Amino acid sequence: GAVVSQHPSRVICKSGTSVKIECRSLDFQATTMFWYRQFPKQSLMLMATSNEGSKATYEQGVEKDKFLINHASLTLSTLTVTSAHPEDSSFYICSARPHGRISYNEQFFGPGTRLTVL
Amino acid sequence: GENVEQHPSTLSVQEGDSAVIKCTYSDSASNYFPWYKQELGKRPQLIIDIRSNVGEKKDQRIAVTLNKTAKHFSLHITETQPEDSAVYFCAASIPYNAGNMLTFGGGTRLMVKP
Repeated sequence: GAVVSQHPSRVICKSGTSVKIECRSLDFQATTMFWYRQFPKQSLMLMATSNEGSKATYEQGVEKDKFLINHASLTLSTLTVTSAHPEDSSFYICSARPHGRISYNEQFFGPGTRLTVL
Repeated sequence: GENVEQHPSTLSVQEGDSAVIKCTYSDSASNYFPWYKQELGKRPQLIIDIRSNVGEKKDQRIAVTLNKTAKHFSLHITETQPEDSAVYFCAASIPYNAGNMLTFGGGTRLMVKP
């Protein structure tokens, strides 16, 4: 149980294009999904918190107009990197917190998406 | 907000030895402390976690201790094996009314030499 998938696993795009990454909870409903970015040999940095049916909450320094997050259902959140540039190249990982377990803080991670912007 | 410091950043041990990784946190409201193991290019895998109402938890070769007064927690791996080689992250989380966010430490690269 508690499986989270991400698609695509790897994407290479040209500078200036937009890329959409999907995060799905496969066997549970996720009230909250989180999006992280991880640069090589660094820790996971939280970009935004996504709650189903409401606007995402972005961390300081993360541009909401550049990283569009949509959490349309309890099993799907998407992150769109708009007008991607080489400095956006990174490993993007989502995580999901099961619905109903508000007193627990476990998060289940997706496998990550490696974005390379040429 | 919460700040989590993790030490050491790299740790090299001989197979069979023990490894200890330490983390400190800043917000006394944090009540959940998971540890993740991440292999290169893979997702973080939860290996053990502890809540603030418990001082120690053990799962086979892995144990975690928590000192709430000092605001630090540690991961202990005994009888290390080469397959334990990975990057380990600690994290801390504040209760749900603060968003349930996980704040990660900087990571420890553990190398177990056969």
